[in-house]
Amino acid sequence: DGGITQSPKYLFRKEGQNVTLSCEQNLNHDAMYWYRQDPGQGLRLIYYSQIVNDFQKGDIAEGYSVSREKKESFPLTVTSAQKNPTAFYLCASSHPGQTSHEQYFGPGTRLTVT
Amino acid sequence: AQSVTQPDIHITVSEGASLELRCNYSYGATPYLFWYVQSPGQGLQLLLKYFSGDTLVQGIKGFEAEFKRSQSSFNLRKPSVHWSDAAEYFCAVGAGYAGKSTFGDGTTLTVKP
Repeated sequence: DGGITQSPKYLFRKEGQNVTLSCEQNLNHDAMYWYRQDPGQGLRLIYYSQIVNDFQKGDIAEGYSVSREKKESFPLTVTSAQKNPTAFYLCASSHPGQTSHEQYFGPGTRLTVT
Repeated sequence: AQSVTQPDIHITVSEGASLELRCNYSYGATPYLFWYVQSPGQGLQLLLKYFSGDTLVQGIKGFEAEFKRSQSSFNLRKPSVHWSDAAEYFCAVGAGYAGKSTFGDGTTLTVKP
């Protein structure tokens, strides 16, 4: 079945450590996105990528980094510079060439930093 | 820049009652509009979408939404709510070739037995 996988489901880190969240899709979508979700604040866009080897900052990119070396993969690194990294992180993909622009979401990774 | 407002943070309805979740958007051109649903600790699932044509769109799980350009609204409705509909609902507006979407803050639906 086609879809988006995110691993792990839960992730725990100590303050000051970088951590990388995985996102893989087999939908053959060109565009991929990373969102952060906090209670009562909806989804906020961290980074997005429209094509391999290219990505753009979203609304809250500070303290995060990404890479897009393969079409299927869009890992997100939460660096020690991110002041409040504990959150639920969602990865999504879409096929901008299609009319609808709908996004397909992974199951999310809950990151806890103590 | 586009924006989305969901005026109701939390709504409680009785099972079997009708439901309407409000969504207002701001966008300069014809928008792509979406409603997504999220169960606790899960990703988002698309309920329905609008980008052209009939302003009343049907979605999955018995939901529908109506696009009203004059009111900049895209309200979600369901005639009879089931306990399994309890979740968080997000309205989103998409724009541009990049497929980026802006999401509202969400409405949490509680269903009373």
